[in-house]
Amino acid sequence: DAKTTQPNSMESNEEEPVHLPCNHSTISGTDYIHWYRQLPSQGPEYVIHGLTSNVNNRMASLAIAEDRKSSTLILHRATLRDAAVYYCILRALNTGFQKLVFGTGTRLLVSP
Amino acid sequence: GAVVSQHPSRVICKSGTSVKIECRSLDFQATTMFWYRQFPKQSLMLMATSNEGSKATYEQGVEKDKFLINHASLTLSTLTVTSAHPEDSSFYICSARVSGLPEKLFFGSGTQLSVL
Repeated sequence: DAKTTQPNSMESNEEEPVHLPCNHSTISGTDYIHWYRQLPSQGPEYVIHGLTSNVNNRMASLAIAEDRKSSTLILHRATLRDAAVYYCILRALNTGFQKLVFGTGTRLLVSP
Repeated sequence: GAVVSQHPSRVICKSGTSVKIECRSLDFQATTMFWYRQFPKQSLMLMATSNEGSKATYEQGVEKDKFLINHASLTLSTLTVTSAHPEDSSFYICSARVSGLPEKLFFGSGTQLSVL
């Protein structure tokens, strides 16, 4: 799978929007952009995924650049519970999404 | 959403003993399960891919004789750490794919293994 680059950490205040960036300049046409997050002492959980168009769900929004070389996970109103490590991962459709390989992720700190 | 139950959540054992960790998909059939380990302050490292009814596929550098994986049914996979040593102390996490929904993985809550 192609590599992604994320900042090591970001800080936010509660109830403010958070934009978590991810660079993936070597993305291929069959790569989907996935986001997972891991709360402290828990297993990861799925957040959102997309291919070309922006995506919204109850947890977050995913904004994908037109050239697909970068994307941004948007949390519209951060809560203390959103403090976690967020992983941006590329997964290839042509391999049937066989496995999920985690990078280092972005640790999001949320202050009251 | 789909639920993956992992048990036990925490285990302490003596060096040289074996420990079994169970991973169950509670409300769906998981044809494929994945096992990860995570050291403190580090990311998850994929150990192996487990397909129901067949031998697990291990990632490079993971000892298959030390980390025994069994996926005998569509709802249960087990990881046995054999002859555990202190360096095996880690957070072990399983995940499962839902048949027909390959784009999402569902994760267990993890098992913290401490080997004394």
